[in-house]
Amino acid sequence: DVQLVESGGGLVQPGGSLRLSCAASGFTFGFTFSSHYMSWVRQAPGKGLEWVANINQDGSEEFYVDSVKGRFIISRDNAKNSLYLQMNSLRVEDTAAYYCVIDVSGRNWGQGTLVAVSS
Amino acid sequence: DTQMTQSPPSLSASVGDRVTITCRASQGISNYLAWFQQKPGKAPKSLIYGASSLQSGVPSKFSGSGSGTDFTLTISSLQPEDFATYYCQQYNSYPLTFGGGTMVEI
Repeated sequence: DVQLVESGGGLVQPGGSLRLSCAASGFTFGFTFSSHYMSWVRQAPGKGLEWVANINQDGSEEFYVDSVKGRFIISRDNAKNSLYLQMNSLRVEDTAAYYCVIDVSGRNWGQGTLVAVSS
Repeated sequence: DTQMTQSPPSLSASVGDRVTITCRASQGISNYLAWFQQKPGKAPKSLIYGASSLQSGVPSKFSGSGSGTDFTLTISSLQPEDFATYYCQQYNSYPLTFGGGTMVEI
């Protein structure tokens, strides 16, 4: 089974930065990391799900929700089966669990990493 | 942006009940609709993609239908492990958007 493991979350002050990572493993023949769009989805405490960003297979196209445009950057390293989210100018409202997700249809999810933005 | 409206926001049901959750898109999304199950403190789990295709390993008691703007998720016979929050998501256009969720409780 495919496994996605996020890391890099933590407590940061407003205006600060964090870089989230997602390590993917368990791929089988015909189902490879490099053949899929990858996404970040977040969930604020007690709230619903919000798509944040995704990136196409070779990293040449990125898409973002308006609230993070210009502050967050999604990237990937297919040689390392890894996905990243560089988060700059963090705001209190960015506080959430951040999930790494395979495919725009949400095929597989990681367990999430918590980001808390507070002074 | 495509708004996704789920109903009801919550429902009470009993073991063995047939449960139906609806999801309405503010504009046509063809069949680019997915359903997820989330239990407290856990990551969401994919149930259905393409409006009606079951993800591998998901029991057949879950089924999805619909196209265009109106979709349904049906659980044919509710079991204790099915009590959770269910979300729909459209992936027809950016930004990808989720419904507000339906909490299924006893």
